This record gives sequence, C-alpha cells and structure tokens, in this order.
Amino acid sequence: KQEVTQIPAALSVPEGENLVLNCSFTDSAIYNLQWFRQDPGKGLTSLLLIQSSQREQTSGRLNASLDKSSGRSTLYIAASQPGDSATYLCAVRGSEKLVFGKGTKLTVNP
Amino acid sequence: GAVVSQHPSRVICKSGTSVKIECRSLDFQATTMFWYRQFPKQSLMLMATSNEGSKATYEQGVEKDKFLINHASLTLSTLTVTSAHPEDSSFYICSATRPDQVGETQYFGPGTRLLVL
Repeated sequence: KQEVTQIPAALSVPEGENLVLNCSFTDSAIYNLQWFRQDPGKGLTSLLLIQSSQREQTSGRLNASLDKSSGRSTLYIAASQPGDSATYLCAVRGSEKLVFGKGTKLTVNP
Repeated sequence: GAVVSQHPSRVICKSGTSVKIECRSLDFQATTMFWYRQFPKQSLMLMATSNEGSKATYEQGVEKDKFLINHASLTLSTLTVTSAHPEDSSFYICSATRPDQVGETQYFGPGTRLLVL
C-alpha cells in the first residue's frame, strides 16, 4: 500500500527566503507525482506534475524534483512571498489513483 | 486550463437528511471523475472512482449505500450522502481527468463543505 509522507508539517519563514518542502513515498512504482496548493477552505490547484521518467519540472519560482528510486520529491520555492502562504500537498499516482500526503502548511511572513 | 465546478460550496443539514453534491466539468468531457473527502488537517482520501455510464468503484471502507454516486453524463457526477450524520461532516472534493492530455492530470473542483447538525 502506497504511503506518502510530507515533512515538515508546518513551516514559517520570512518573506524573500528560499525554501524546500519534502515528500517521500514508499512504493517507487509510480506513474507520476504532482504538487498541489490548497488555500484554506478551498479546492486544489495543480502546481507541477512530474512524470515517472522525468527528474524535475519548473514553473516560475517553483521547481520540483523527483528521485523515484529513493522515493523522494522536493518542491523548491524561490524568493518566497506572503501570497505563497498555503498548504502544499504532494500526491503520487500509481496504476489507478492518486495517494496524497497530509501536506505542509507554509506561512510566509511579510 | 480545465475547469471543474462543485455545487453547493457549503451546506448545513440536519442529521438524517440526504444531501446531494454536484461536480461538473465545464469545458471538457470527463470520462472519469473522482470523489475525495478531507477531514481537518488530514490528507485527501479517495472515496470512489466514477465512470460515465457505469457503476462507481468504491474504496475499501466506503459504504456505497451511504455515498451514492451517479455519473449520468460526461460532464456531471453527483454524490449523495444519504441519512447524513454528524460524523459525515467533512470537506468533499471532486476531480476529473482529461484523457486527451498526457498523464491524465486530475483537475479538482473547489470543494463542498458539509456540516451535519
């Protein structure tokens, strides 16, 4: 059974800092891995999707890496802004369904 | 990008009543839709996978008679919580896939907050 763990559970940083969010998964037989953002009481916004054959994806200030063999992914956020404050969810897709981690709650202080 | 809507966004009901939540793909046809629930500070848990025109596939531990799913068209799936109880209070989120896209990205709706009194 696939399990996804995200560390840390919460993170508070000053504006402008670069930061890394971590995601690990137990079964390396994945189809893809996706990072989402969730604002309080809202749905999910897809940030980056990495196929199993890829090592990383970039979008603006966001960079996600994938090391399938070790079961790890990181989300790097450069020059953080208060608007980045949200919960970030990592999800891996096996043969059929997405399995989510519990998320990292990020607070960027002005 | 693909847009998925949910209605209602919030609902409060009395214990014992049934509540219907709609999930629509607004600008694409979704052959598969997924229903998740999320408890506070917890991850999203898949409840069921819904394919148009066929019965939904429920995850282990999810009561199919309590959570009725109907996927009547390629753009609409409904989740009905029957005889709702306070423990059913949760955040329900649907998603839909675009099979024409590489990787079959899931696009998520904005969620429905259910509170059962």
